[in-house]
Amino acid sequence: GAGVSQSPSNKVTEKGKDVELRCDPISGHTALYWYRQSLGQGLEFLIYFQGNSAPDKSGLPSDRFSAERTGGSVSTLTIQRTQQEDSAVYLCASSLEPAGGPNGELFFGEGSRLTVL
Amino acid sequence: AQTVTQSQPEMSVQEAETVTLSCTYDTSENNYYLFWYKQPPSRQMILVIRQEAYKQQNATENRFSVNFQKAAKSFSLKISDSQLGDTAMYFCAFIDYGGSQGNLIFGKGTKLSVKP
Repeated sequence: GAGVSQSPSNKVTEKGKDVELRCDPISGHTALYWYRQSLGQGLEFLIYFQGNSAPDKSGLPSDRFSAERTGGSVSTLTIQRTQQEDSAVYLCASSLEPAGGPNGELFFGEGSRLTVL
Repeated sequence: AQTVTQSQPEMSVQEAETVTLSCTYDTSENNYYLFWYKQPPSRQMILVIRQEAYKQQNATENRFSVNFQKAAKSFSLKISDSQLGDTAMYFCAFIDYGGSQGNLIFGKGTKLSVKP
């Protein structure tokens, strides 16, 4: 696609429910990243994919969080048994190459705003 | 641990004037990339400018320029001739060359308001 697409744009859920957030990266981008942005905070790294594998899962805050990427394209971030502290904007980004390289510019989606009541 | 610090939570500037946003970082690496990203109310992060640590020349993109001081680990962003559309959150970010961690490390951001 023309840009990174994320859905849903906004999600309101009740505490304890599971949610899935989807990211469709730019076609041909091998690297994909998930970040979390809480109110008034910077971006907190969650997970990084290179192709379908995740060399760096260090940022996932708990075992309630998981992510997968299939076909080297679409990625899904799943949060199980949501808690109020999970309320945040979840940003996805993709890049042609890993971010530490010359073609590693990150292109971001508009994010999914999650509100847990 | 690598960290990025933006010491100005909020700033304001009059339209057409110049403003400088501060960023400092901490790393033991010698080769790395530094970035400034802009996040307008639409939430989409947009790359403003990128600097490669091994390049001594400061990066410039139209009205945006940086003052990169490697020894001081400082990377400030100067916006000249500020425009109302520059109103946004600005994030400084870092990654080491080769990206051994795989991810950009971001500061907490500076909220810039451009006043007419």
